[in-house]
Amino acid sequence: DQQVKQNSPSLSVQEGRISILNCDYTNSMFDYFLWYKKYPAEGPTFLISISSIKDKNEDGRFTVFLNKSAKHLSLHIVPSQPGDSAVYFCAASATGGGADGLTFGKGTHLIIQP
Amino acid sequence: SAVISQKPSRDICQRGTSLTIQCQVDSQVTMMFWYRQQPGQSLTLIATANQGSEATYESGFVIDKFPISRPNLTFSTLTVSNMSPEDSSIYLCSVEVQAITEQYFGPGTRLTVT
Repeated sequence: DQQVKQNSPSLSVQEGRISILNCDYTNSMFDYFLWYKKYPAEGPTFLISISSIKDKNEDGRFTVFLNKSAKHLSLHIVPSQPGDSAVYFCAASATGGGADGLTFGKGTHLIIQP
Repeated sequence: SAVISQKPSRDICQRGTSLTIQCQVDSQVTMMFWYRQQPGQSLTLIATANQGSEATYESGFVIDKFPISRPNLTFSTLTVSNMSPEDSSIYLCSVEVQAITEQYFGPGTRLTVT
């Protein structure tokens, strides 16, 4: 039973437009959420996170939105750039982000087209 | 943040043998974790490597198959024992720097078992 779901295996977006990556979760105990970006042959790189006490967190071109009632979060990238082409993983933690491992989704392959 | 290295970066091993993967961090960290990413799947937590005590394993993973050592605050090893083709995966270590909730990942070890 997957507790973190990314239902879109891939997403294609034109350069300069907005990329929206979605993530759903089922475990009500999750209280901290993270997005990672992964290039081939490299480990995941931390991108942005959000605590369950917030509904939005912004860092430059990246914004994460959290809808607790819907158990849904999304990552917005504006404007999308060619270097954003990668696999994006949504991850969640049930212990306030500390002292525990993360539960990951299967990832969404984002392709930015010129 | 933290700089994490893993050895080897990749290996091809025969069925029935064992492989030990090393993870080195450039600073002392409290929490170290080992994950596995099977082809087309999400990252799955294997265990938390505790310094000075036995590792804590997730459901479905056992110490006899994946023995872990954590001799100090900058180093850990994961051994994949009595390998079968189903063990072919990318194995990643990650660390959580104290007081920072994000986990940082190493580049991964790509293991192929024939």
